[in-house]
Amino acid sequence: KAGVTQTPRYLIKTRGQQVTLSCSPISGHRSVSWYQQTPGQGLQFLFEYFSETQRNKGNFPGRFSGRQFSNSRSEMNVSTLELGDSALYLCASSFRGPSYEQYFGPGTRLTVT
Amino acid sequence: QKEVEQDPGPLSVPEGAIVSLNCTYSNSAFQYFMWYRQYSRKGPELLMYTYSSGNKEDGRFTAQVDKSSKYISLFIRDSQPSDSATYLCAMTPYGGSQGNLIFGKGTKLSVKP
Repeated sequence: KAGVTQTPRYLIKTRGQQVTLSCSPISGHRSVSWYQQTPGQGLQFLFEYFSETQRNKGNFPGRFSGRQFSNSRSEMNVSTLELGDSALYLCASSFRGPSYEQYFGPGTRLTVT
Repeated sequence: QKEVEQDPGPLSVPEGAIVSLNCTYSNSAFQYFMWYRQYSRKGPELLMYTYSSGNKEDGRFTAQVDKSSKYISLFIRDSQPSDSATYLCAMTPYGGSQGNLIFGKGTKLSVKP
């Protein structure tokens, strides 16, 4: 069974630009969660989607948004990038939700210059 | 006070040692507790999942929850160099399908041959 895949793996953007990251969950998983990981703050929850609906959202500004498609693939978008958005963005999929067993992808390393 | 506190280490032990990793938390509503292992340049992988207080064992790993002290532990017996990774605790008050996880910042473990 293929694992969670994330594209791209590495990205360099300039302050003020926007970026879209993609996540393909494990086949059959309908829940996709996004996390931001930084050395200073650790792993922080961004949002969770289940069957194309956002069920839960973390404490991040509105510049961070996401969506989920009918095939469960998910994208997250960050607009007006700031230097502080440099981080590893992780996607995790689960059959029912993040409180159950969830599987993480390798992440997208975003660097904002 | 942060909701979840975890000593970042680094923790260095000789091969074969018993390793003890710990987290403390402040929210008495947390009921579901997890330990994730994250190798360098990889996404976290779920090691242990426990509900409420008590112990759970899986091979060389034992997870312990003491809700009265708001303290959780992960013990690794007969540690191996392949156990060298960052260990993250995570917890949530919610069962069911919803609920975001609150992560500790992780403890970096190095097992020396």
